[in-house]
Amino acid sequence: KNEVEQSPQNLTAQEGEFITINCSYSVGISALHWLQQHPGGGIVSLFMLSSGKKKHGRLIATINIQEKHSSLHITASHPRDSAVYICALVPNTGNQFYFGTGTSLTVIP
Amino acid sequence: IAGITQAPTSQILAAGRRMTLRCTQDMRHNAMYWYRQDLGLGLRLIHYSNTAGTTGKGEVPDGYSVSRANTDDFPLTLASAVPSQTSVYFCASSAWHRTGELFFGEGSRLTVL
Repeated sequence: KNEVEQSPQNLTAQEGEFITINCSYSVGISALHWLQQHPGGGIVSLFMLSSGKKKHGRLIATINIQEKHSSLHITASHPRDSAVYICALVPNTGNQFYFGTGTSLTVIP
Repeated sequence: IAGITQAPTSQILAAGRRMTLRCTQDMRHNAMYWYRQDLGLGLRLIHYSNTAGTTGKGEVPDGYSVSRANTDDFPLTLASAVPSQTSVYFCASSAWHRTGELFFGEGSRLTVL
């Protein structure tokens, strides 16, 4: 079952490039999380959103509930942005979150 | 520093042995979760707890048990470990179940031989 699909699976960018990571889903949701996992394993929450757009520094997250789609944008990418970015859904019903398999981003100096 | 602490960070275990992964948070969060992360599969929920004294099954609960005697602690027990339980285990919490930011521990890498 694939309630949530992320694209691309892998992404390599040059430092300074604008990056977009996509998350599409098939269930009704009450919220969506974007998470970051650096090599070595720690997972950090970047955003939780249920509508519109949020911005934190060089990171921007958007969501379109009608189209069941969210994007994570990174402006002026930097090598320290290299990580796996994970989309997680909070469905309208049930007790589970649904997690994407992640997008592995490598930013080259 | 406030957050979630998991222990051990890494463990090698013989099949058939009992193992408890510990998780403690100091944020007074009501909801706590245990996930396993396997290559190509993403994070999968094992068990959760909405609040102290209650627990529930997630997507992959078989072979695991949890308890939530108080707000801070949420241990995960493998009663008789099997090789398919080799994985990285993450404990997480949020202020309320299904709402609020998720906070994760650093993970526990478990190898069952």
